[in-house]
Amino acid sequence: AQTVTQSQPEMSVQEAETVTLSCTYDTSESDYYLFWYKQPPSRQMILVIRQEAYKQQNATENRFSVNFQKAAKSFSLKISDSQLGDAAMYFCAYRSYSGNTPLVFGKGTRLSVIA
Amino acid sequence: NAGVTQTPKFRVLKTGQSMTLLCAQDMNHEYMYWYRQDPGMGLRLIHYSVGEGTTAKGEVPDGYNVSRLKKQNFLLGLESAAPSQTSVYFCASSYVGYGYTFGSGTRLTVV
Repeated sequence: AQTVTQSQPEMSVQEAETVTLSCTYDTSESDYYLFWYKQPPSRQMILVIRQEAYKQQNATENRFSVNFQKAAKSFSLKISDSQLGDAAMYFCAYRSYSGNTPLVFGKGTRLSVIA
Repeated sequence: NAGVTQTPKFRVLKTGQSMTLLCAQDMNHEYMYWYRQDPGMGLRLIHYSVGEGTTAKGEVPDGYNVSRLKKQNFLLGLESAAPSQTSVYFCASSYVGYGYTFGSGTRLTVV
């Protein structure tokens, strides 16, 4: 079974600075999807970014980008120019390519943004 | 589009009472899921469905039942609520290969 590990329960960053959240996963599959979700205090789960494992290029969405290292099974999220609204819980998730299997989530990293 | 709608948003139950959480999606997604979220535990899968009329157990299914009689609805039932079921419950839906669209969650307290 696949597992997802987020080794940083909490992190903080100064406003306008850059922060990187770590995620590692364990799988024997070669094709899969990886995701980062954001959960602000409102509790709503928001998809931040999606990466397909067969794509070499790292996904980016505005100030959010990933560093996908397939061989190392690492999928870190970089947030540039951090804003107060970035303060949230961030979850890394894995999904098998077959699609029938549910997402596997890490336990999350709580990000604080300091003004 | 409403996306994924969960009802109710909050509920307080007494131990031993039963209740049903409703999840409705209007995106024609095949897959639907129920998770619970507890502090420090992340999201844990309770049950899921890969299509109308199908259900499957997740990581923590005990004490819960589900039904998917219509493609757009996925119901989560608690037959006899216990304090250990105090949690925030999330419903989600998806297409193959894509991430989930989540509902806004239900905060359930069992006293």
